[in-house]
Amino acid sequence: QQQVKQSPQSLIVQKGGISIINCAYENTAFDYFPWYQQFPGKGPALLIAIRPDVSEKKEGRFTISFNKSAKQFSLHIMDSQPGDSATYFCAAQTGANNLFFGTGTRLTVIP
Amino acid sequence: KAGVTQTPRYLIKTRGQQVTLSCSPISGHRSVSWYQQTPGQGLQFLFEYFSETQRNKGNFPGRFSGRQFSNSRSEMNVSTLELGDSALYLCASSWTSLSTGELFFGEGSRLTVL
Repeated sequence: QQQVKQSPQSLIVQKGGISIINCAYENTAFDYFPWYQQFPGKGPALLIAIRPDVSEKKEGRFTISFNKSAKQFSLHIMDSQPGDSATYFCAAQTGANNLFFGTGTRLTVIP
Repeated sequence: KAGVTQTPRYLIKTRGQQVTLSCSPISGHRSVSWYQQTPGQGLQFLFEYFSETQRNKGNFPGRFSGRQFSNSRSEMNVSTLELGDSALYLCASSWTSLSTGELFFGEGSRLTVL
């Protein structure tokens, strides 16, 4: 059973466009929602994270939007660049327990 | 500062064999987690070790086991390999088992079972 559902599976965006990846969860005990970025041949690396007490967090071109009532959160990449082409994973965690990851979104930014 | 080091990076085994993977965490990190990554399932949590004790365990059969040494290095073992065990096995370390989310991943050990 997938604790965190992620969509789309793959995404193609033109350079300069906005990339949007969505995630949904059921467990209301989750209190930490990070996004990880993974390049081919590398391990995932933390990109940005949010807690449910805020509805939005922005770091540079990357923004997390969080909707607690809908139990959904999304990653927006503004002004997408070819260097952003990677696989993105959302995740959720409760307390000191392990992270539950989504199935990943492969983003391709076309020059 | 050295990152998380996993060895071997690639290995090929046949069904029924066993395999041991090694992970050296970032210096000072005491928590080590293991994940299985496959194209269809994404990252699936295997287990977490903190101060040589298994603290959390995912939903994997008993053929998957692990341990952590006093220097925080960790190993995972898979016995009686099956074709479905072919995957990228990722190790991640963090400062403490109470850290929230910031895992530092290695580059993984890619296991192919023939």
